Amino acid sequence: SQQGEEDPQALSIQEGENATMNCSYKTSINNLQWYRQNSGRGLVHLILIRSNEREKHSGRLRVTLDTSKKSSSLLITASRAADTASYFCATAPNTGTASKLTFGTGTRLQVTL
Amino acid sequence: DTGVSQDPRHKITKRGQNVTFRCDPISEHNRLYWYRQTLGQGPEFLTYFQNEAQLEKSRLLSDRFSAERPKGSFSTLEIQRTEQGDSAMYLCASSLFRRGLTSTDTQYFGPGTRLTVL
Repeated sequence: SQQGEEDPQALSIQEGENATMNCSYKTSINNLQWYRQNSGRGLVHLILIRSNEREKHSGRLRVTLDTSKKSSSLLITASRAADTASYFCATAPNTGTASKLTFGTGTRLQVTL
Repeated sequence: DTGVSQDPRHKITKRGQNVTFRCDPISEHNRLYWYRQTLGQGPEFLTYFQNEAQLEKSRLLSDRFSAERPKGSFSTLEIQRTEQGDSAMYLCASSLFRRGLTSTDTQYFGPGTRLTVL
């Protein structure tokens, strides 16, 4: 079953605008990761944030994590048409050595010219 | 290119037939995962291996499903007596797990095998 929800389910913006998507989860985590998936393709790893981190940057991506609220956000700045894809958050459990990922339902981002 | 390859990329089969998928992980990775993704949903965990040992299986993995990873390299996922509900994208991922560094156990995904059961 899915770990949690992502919000919004779909987002349409114009090129150059910023895109923010949110993820909520239910259980204690070791880390949270964001992935991108182009239509019908595999997932591409974007960024990982550990449970003891609050914010992380990678290029045009900024991720925040609030473990007290069990939520995370992904900000894509200065969006491009090539950013059009589905974005998923995934959590790794805070249990022993297991690291299976539990994915959210995804946000479909459409960036138009 | 993540380095994880899957074969075939697409498979169409008739209900009741058996199918087998293959995954080749990144060569130095010791963990290999299988996920299933249906349309409009996020991937769901099926099973994973550390080297050749299958360490966890999801309840989603009915007795018609079997996965192997002989010699700790490539893996196969077999579905026997396929049903229409098995239609999905089957994703494989691999990672390099080092004890004490679980927070860096990033999983790299392959392109997936899309199964259609008629």
